[in-house]
Amino acid sequence: QLVLTQSPSASASLGASVKLTCTLSSGHSSYAIAWHQQQPEKGPRYLMKVNSDGSHSKGDGIPDRFSGSSSGAERFLTISSLQSEDEADYYCQTWGTGIHVFGGGTTLTVL
Amino acid sequence: QVQLVESGGGVVQPGRSLRLSCAASGFTFSSYGMHWVRQPPGKGLEWVAVIWFDGSNKYYADSVKGRFTISRDNSKNTLYLQMNNLRAEDTAVYYCAREGGYCSGGNCYGDYEVDSWGQGALVTVSS
Repeated sequence: QLVLTQSPSASASLGASVKLTCTLSSGHSSYAIAWHQQQPEKGPRYLMKVNSDGSHSKGDGIPDRFSGSSSGAERFLTISSLQSEDEADYYCQTWGTGIHVFGGGTTLTVL
Repeated sequence: QVQLVESGGGVVQPGRSLRLSCAASGFTFSSYGMHWVRQPPGKGLEWVAVIWFDGSNKYYADSVKGRFTISRDNSKNTLYLQMNNLRAEDTAVYYCAREGGYCSGGNCYGDYEVDSWGQGALVTVSS
């Protein structure tokens, strides 16, 4: 069964870096994922796609502060030089034949 | 730029029906797969359904299978979601979303991630 697991919450200080994790279920470690950001009271926004080899492609206008990487079944979103507007929910998404799945989301607090 | 504008949300009684629409602009609608994704109040995103660029294939989440129907009119650049036999647990903001990959001239390129989102339409199922 295709499942994505995310930690419910994370926090980091203004100006620091944070690395969010999305874990693919057993047997699906080769899958690509996408990261989406949802700021408070707003709709989601596509950030990037991250492949199993760690390569990533970002959406239009996504700052260089956002980057993606991979290790085994884990896919990462790293945000550097944290700003107040980065405080948001972050969701990962993946897909298989006839199915799409979202992780439960990570709420990022910028201290 | 890509614009997706949902409409048709509202308050509906349990067991009744509602149809959502999503007007697309800024891209060649007929080349892209399209999704509906929902978000119950205070909860995370839940994928609902996807339709291929030409409407030839449709897939649904188990939670809506047999009750919801996704469709599209490529001549009108519009995506639809027909929701029947609505339940309280269907209460959510419904987002229209575009896939990153596209098909053209018999070939398809890219992948299946969602790369654009609408602003959402609230559906409330309540008596």
